[in-house]
Amino acid sequence: DAGVIQSPRHEVTEMGQEVTLRCKPISGHDYLFWYRQTMMRGLELLIYFNNNVPIDDSGMPEDRFSAKMPNASFSTLKIQPSEPRDSAVYFCASSPQMNTEAFFGQGTRLTVV
Amino acid sequence: GESVGLHLPTLSVQEGDNSIINCAYSNSASDYFIWYKQESGKGPQFIIDIRSNMDKRQGQRVTVLLNKTVKHLSLQIAATQPGDSAVYFCAENRATGGSYIPTFGRGTSLIVHP
Repeated sequence: DAGVIQSPRHEVTEMGQEVTLRCKPISGHDYLFWYRQTMMRGLELLIYFNNNVPIDDSGMPEDRFSAKMPNASFSTLKIQPSEPRDSAVYFCASSPQMNTEAFFGQGTRLTVV
Repeated sequence: GESVGLHLPTLSVQEGDNSIINCAYSNSASDYFIWYKQESGKGPQFIIDIRSNMDKRQGQRVTVLLNKTVKHLSLQIAATQPGDSAVYFCAENRATGGSYIPTFGRGTSLIVHP
């Protein structure tokens, strides 16, 4: 298995633009997580899905952030409009069951200028 | 509030030494703990885990110890190698609303000198 695949690896965008981050989880994994990593706040859980259904989105910073999982093999995290403070590395992770280890993608480094 | 935290932000060791990375947790209801390793430019990678019904678990060159009395977790790396240089995170699966949310500590940077 190729593992969790995220795209793009790097994204530079101007403030106010829409940004879409993509994730393909490991086949057969029922749980998908979106994390944001910054030096100041560390790894923060934004949202997670179980069987394509959003379960907990309490970590989503504000309404500018939205996430979808239209099927078991694809998820998106969208920021509209983006702001410089959204600059971070965004990770997607999946796990086969709850209460087991998560498998992380390589991350998307987002820079909003 | 309850949180997962690390005692030491940076640990420098010589190649061949043993390394110990510590982690404190405050949620006594957590029953599953994981150590991850993150190398520069990569996502966190699973190293070893432990459930609350155990106090020790060993892997290849790594050992995790869990002390539920003082809510303390440690990762021991034997014969540390330069390739072990990375940031290490402890994560706590915190029960909430019938699900378990993986929550990460801030991380410890391990630097191994050849």
